[in-house]
Parts: sequence; structure tokens; C-alpha cells
Amino acid sequence: GAGVSQSPSNKVTEKGKDVELRCDPISGHTALYWYRQSLGQGLEFLIYFQGNSAPDKSGLPSDRFSAERTGGSVSTLTIQRTQQEDSAVYLCASSLVGAPGNTIYFGEGSWLTVV
Amino acid sequence: AQSVTQLDSHVSVSEGTPVLLRCNYSSSYSPSLFWYVQHPNKGLQLLLKYTSAATLVKGINGFEAEFKKSETSFHLTKPSAHMSDAAEYFCVVSSRNNNDMRFGAGTRLTVKP
Repeated sequence: GAGVSQSPSNKVTEKGKDVELRCDPISGHTALYWYRQSLGQGLEFLIYFQGNSAPDKSGLPSDRFSAERTGGSVSTLTIQRTQQEDSAVYLCASSLVGAPGNTIYFGEGSWLTVV
Repeated sequence: AQSVTQLDSHVSVSEGTPVLLRCNYSSSYSPSLFWYVQHPNKGLQLLLKYTSAATLVKGINGFEAEFKKSETSFHLTKPSAHMSDAAEYFCVVSSRNNNDMRFGAGTRLTVKP
């Protein structure tokens, strides 16, 4: 596609339920990032995928959070047993890798509300 | 390790007056630096980026930023604010391999008529 596509755009879920957020990066981009933006906060790095390398999971806040990237393209961020503090906008981004300073392109985000 | 500090959480200017959003960075390597803008209920959009070429970088919508290594700064400026500039602005530092981008906390720009 022309840009980074995320789904769902909005999700309301009950506390304790699992949610899956999907990201479809720009075609040909080998790097994929997940960030979280809580209300009134800056962006928090969650996880980074680059090609077939092991992902950088250093930003995942707890073991309830996991992500995978199938076939080097689409990625799914899974939050198990959701808590109210998980409510945030989850942003996916992608970029080419190889030259320094490659622009990272962001999706519109998935707005998650845990009630 | 690298990090970025945006010195103001909120900046308010009058329409037609200059804009200055301040950003200082810390990086072990020669960094790449970016400014992103996020309008309400919208995704992030790249304004401009610095990648070791010219130190004065011009971006979209009349914004520019100057990389000053001696001051470890990358402040964003615009000569004349427009109402449509009201948004959240993020300064970002990236490692040489672009695999470790760190965002500042953001600066909310308000433009008064």
C-alpha cells in the first residue's frame, strides 16, 4: 500500500480480555516499529523488527505484550489480559534500512480503550 | 545510548509571530535527527530531518531546524506562525543504523489568533 496501515483504528475491550493489533507496513520496508502513546505522554518505544534478525523487545512493558512479524511484512501486536493502564494509541511505523537517517513512516494508530 | 530532551512541554505564540521549539540530544554517535508533527487525532508526519549533510535543514510548511553539534541542539523554528501549525511536535534522535529511534516527550504548540 501507499502508507502504513493499521487495524483496527479503534478498539474498546473489557479488562482481562486479549487484543490483537495489526500493522501492514509500506511495501519493501524491512524495518518495523511499534510505539505506544498514552494520553498526554510522548511516544514510548515497544519493539523493533529488522528483516530476519531477532527483534528488539527491550521496550515491551510486561510479558503480557508480544509481537510477531510474519513473512517479513505484516506484524501483530498482542496484549493479553488487558489492564486499564494499557489504554493508549498504539502506533506502527516502518522504514527502509541501509542508509543512515531513513525516514520512518507512521500509521494512523490503533486507539485502544480498556474498560 | 541516546536520548532527546524537548525543553518546553507547551509553547504558545500569536499568529504571525516566530516559533521556536527547543530540542537537545545526547548520542554516542553522529546522530540523525528528525522533527515530527502530530495534529489532533492524526498520525505522525515528518517535518524535516538531519543526516550529516547541511546543518540548516528546511522542511515542509516553512519550518526549519539547525543542527548545532557544539550545543547538542536541533531547535525547530518558523518565521511566522499560522493557525494550522497548532499541533504536537516531537524531536527524534536515531542511531547511525536507524534501529534505535528515541522520541522526546513532545511540545504542544498553541497558536492564538
